[in-house]
Amino acid sequence: GIQVEQSPPDLILQEGANSTLRCNFSDSVNNLQWFHQNPWGQLINLFYIPSGTKQNGRLSATTVATERYSLLYISSSQTTDSGVYFCASNTGNQFYFGTGTSLTVIP
Amino acid sequence: EAGVTQFPSHSVIEKGQTVTLRCDPISGHDNLYWYRRVMGKEIKFLLHFVKESKQDESGMPNNRFLAERTGGTYSTLKVQPAELEDSGVYFCASSQRNTQYFGPGTRLTVL
Repeated sequence: GIQVEQSPPDLILQEGANSTLRCNFSDSVNNLQWFHQNPWGQLINLFYIPSGTKQNGRLSATTVATERYSLLYISSSQTTDSGVYFCASNTGNQFYFGTGTSLTVIP
Repeated sequence: EAGVTQFPSHSVIEKGQTVTLRCDPISGHDNLYWYRRVMGKEIKFLLHFVKESKQDESGMPNNRFLAERTGGTYSTLKVQPAELEDSGVYFCASSQRNTQYFGPGTRLTVL
């Protein structure tokens, strides 16, 4: 299957700071999604982004499919951004998840 | 439109007991997936239904796990008998095309 690596594994930010999370994947994919797992354990869809750039409020994501990586940008971070961020990709219908980046935003 | 729902949200059982998890996908989604995250590790695929048929069950860990999707609507995942290493969060997702929408998960604790 596809190997998905995320970095950094842990990140602590002061409220208001910006950050970039990275996702590398080992093979060509036809889907790439970013998720946020909130403190209650729920997985929330952030972006479906197999290629290109998308923005949603303070979040944006860029996938460079030819170089097999995706980036998630968080600007002006807030305490509610805390949680684990996962990227996942697939070639068929099976998703392969990274191990996640655990983000803590402190006031 | 309702999202993917899962029941129960938490389950605590003893080793050797049976537990059944339920997932209701988004209405109209033919594809339904089960995943789990154990011991804080990465989320791993278990299986994939297309309507009522199992399309891919390569991620099912062993024969103690049984998934069904009667009539192509909701799905159940039964663990019998449960072992300590089955503890974790079980997620269900559904899709119609590319984007998978995840439910809130069921946290299973086996004592």
